[in-house]
Amino acid sequence: QLQLQESGPGLVKPSETLSLTCTVSGGSISSSSYYWGWIRQPPGKGLEWIGSIYYSGSTYYNPSLKSRVTISVDTSKNQFSLKLSSVTAADTAVYYCARQPEIAAVENWFDPWGQGTLVTVSS
Amino acid sequence: QSVLTQPPSVSGAPGQRVTISCTGSSSNIGAGYDVHWYQQLPGTAPKLLIYGNSNRPSGVPDRFSGSKSGTSASLAITGLQAEDEADYYCQSYDSSLSALFGGGTKLTVL
Repeated sequence: QLQLQESGPGLVKPSETLSLTCTVSGGSISSSSYYWGWIRQPPGKGLEWIGSIYYSGSTYYNPSLKSRVTISVDTSKNQFSLKLSSVTAADTAVYYCARQPEIAAVENWFDPWGQGTLVTVSS
Repeated sequence: QSVLTQPPSVSGAPGQRVTISCTGSSSNIGAGYDVHWYQQLPGTAPKLLIYGNSNRPSGVPDRFSGSKSGTSASLAITGLQAEDEADYYCQSYDSSLSALFGGGTKLTVL
């Protein structure tokens, strides 16, 4: 059974870079059948797609975040990572990683999801 | 404000049927992009409920169904149960090159 687990600092200072890693177990991140995505949810608010990556390194980003986001993949560790630069309090959220079927790429659904990790931006 | 509009809340008594709408535009749902639905129980990650407008993943009860018409989609829940109380989100894609989520709907079982 495929599982995803987010990890990284729970507290980041304003203007710094948020860095998170998603570790995939029970399956290979190098599967040609899937993209791997990041989604976030501010406390008490809705979901926002951040971006998705294919095992080859091909990426799609939310246009509203594109200038600050970098998503990378490490197939040797079965992990993919998120970096969000110049963070502010508005970036405080639970960050989820999830899998997307490859066909039609980012048009597709996310399943399964990791449990999520709360990142707070504060000095 | 989300590009995909959902009612903030809906409610129903046990055993009843409720529907949750997801209204988009000609650049997303109306352009033919599929709609997917998620259930988020309190304090947990979203769970896929419906994919490709009307398909249920294995393990999702057939009390849950999805449909799409024009620039809108709907999630229907029949035989409402207490454990259905959760937040529900629709998801689609926009020609601005972005995956989109609706603002979410809180379902209360009376």
